[in-house]
Amino acid sequence: NAGVMQNPRHLVRRRGQEARLRCSPMKGHSHVYWYRQLPEEGLKFMVYLQKENIIDESGMPKERFSAEFPKEGPSILRIQQVVRGDSAAYFCASSLRDRDITLHFGNGTRLTVT
Amino acid sequence: AQSVTQLGSHVSVSEGALVLLRCNYSSSVPPYLFWYVQYPNQGLQLLLKYTSAATLVKGINGFEAEFKKSETSFHLTKPSAHMSDAAEYFCAVSSYYGNNRLAFGKGNQVVVIP
Repeated sequence: NAGVMQNPRHLVRRRGQEARLRCSPMKGHSHVYWYRQLPEEGLKFMVYLQKENIIDESGMPKERFSAEFPKEGPSILRIQQVVRGDSAAYFCASSLRDRDITLHFGNGTRLTVT
Repeated sequence: AQSVTQLGSHVSVSEGALVLLRCNYSSSVPPYLFWYVQYPNQGLQLLLKYTSAATLVKGINGFEAEFKKSETSFHLTKPSAHMSDAAEYFCAVSSYYGNNRLAFGKGNQVVVIP
């Protein structure tokens, strides 16, 4: 029974390129959360999605960042025109239900912008 | 808004000695509190959680934490450190009203000295 799967594990992009990070939640989970971990910092909430809906994007930067969780397929976090400050580890978590406080985290995608 | 404070980014402990990691929280509503562990290049693994039941919570790998409302604290302890405990530890807070928008502390990097 696979856990939360994130790919790629490592992603290198040049400034100005686009980064696409993928997250497949645990089987049966329909709630996905994205967090960002900057160096020497804890994780910061970015966005909470259910299938085909963005529930809370209060932690998302207003520009260049977007997220989706389509009816079929993984959740995608997209960063357009990346800058050096976007270099971080991006973690996805999933839960079975709304109000289910047990989050299951993936191993993260480590984005490096050169 | 909810927040947690973890002091001392790096903690050194001798093998066999007590592990004590401090966490203080701020929350205007009854909190849910968590400790997560992160091994290098991996995701977060839940150690234990407090959800308004027993104030002394036992987790995996011999760790436990005590919720003290009067002190707004949720310190993590383990009586005897093992080399395998070397990792980064994060305290986090949310609530029933928080929709799993966890607020994380900056973490404690634990080094175990043989």
